[in-house]
Amino acid sequence: KAGVTQTPRYLIKTRGQQVTLSCSPISGHRSVSWYQQTPGQGLQFLFEYFSETQRNKGNFPGRFSGRQFSNSRSEMNVSTLELGDSALYLCASSLGGLPYEQYFGPGTRLTVT
Amino acid sequence: SQELEQSPQSLIVQEGKNLTINCTSSKTLYGLYWYKQKYGEGLIFLMMLQKGGEEKSHEKITAKLDEKKQQSSLHITASQPSHAGIYLCGADFWYNAGNMLTFGGGTRLMVKP
Repeated sequence: KAGVTQTPRYLIKTRGQQVTLSCSPISGHRSVSWYQQTPGQGLQFLFEYFSETQRNKGNFPGRFSGRQFSNSRSEMNVSTLELGDSALYLCASSLGGLPYEQYFGPGTRLTVT
Repeated sequence: SQELEQSPQSLIVQEGKNLTINCTSSKTLYGLYWYKQKYGEGLIFLMMLQKGGEEKSHEKITAKLDEKKQQSSLHITASQPSHAGIYLCGADFWYNAGNMLTFGGGTRLMVKP
């Protein structure tokens, strides 16, 4: 079974621009969660989508948004990029019910200059 | 995350030595997950513990959950260079309806050949 895939793997953007990251979950998984990882803050939860609905949201500004499609693929968008948005963005998929065993993708490394 | 504290933050061991990493929660644990991460890459799921006293093993890695102490430990026997990486514990805290893992700060393990 193919794992979680994320595209692109690396991205360089300029302050003020916006960016869209994509995540394809494991086949059959209905939940996709997004995390931001930085050296200073560690791994932090952004949001989770289940059956096209946002089910949970972390403590991030409204510039961070996401959506999920009917095939469970998910996208994350960050508008008006700031230097502090430079991070490794990870998505994880799971079946969606208890237990919440999640499988992570390789991540997208975003650098904002 | 202050809700999950990992210790030590970093560890250097000689190949063949045993080691233990601890993860302590400030809240009641309902599910505790251990992941391994190679630098800049995605997380690899190692084990999930759900019940107090539960112990699981995978190859030379054993994890235990002490519900009363709100603590989990990860023990590696006869460490190898392939064990090197960052070990992260994650937990489900019972205030969210969906998938939201809170992670500890990670333990960086180096194994000297």
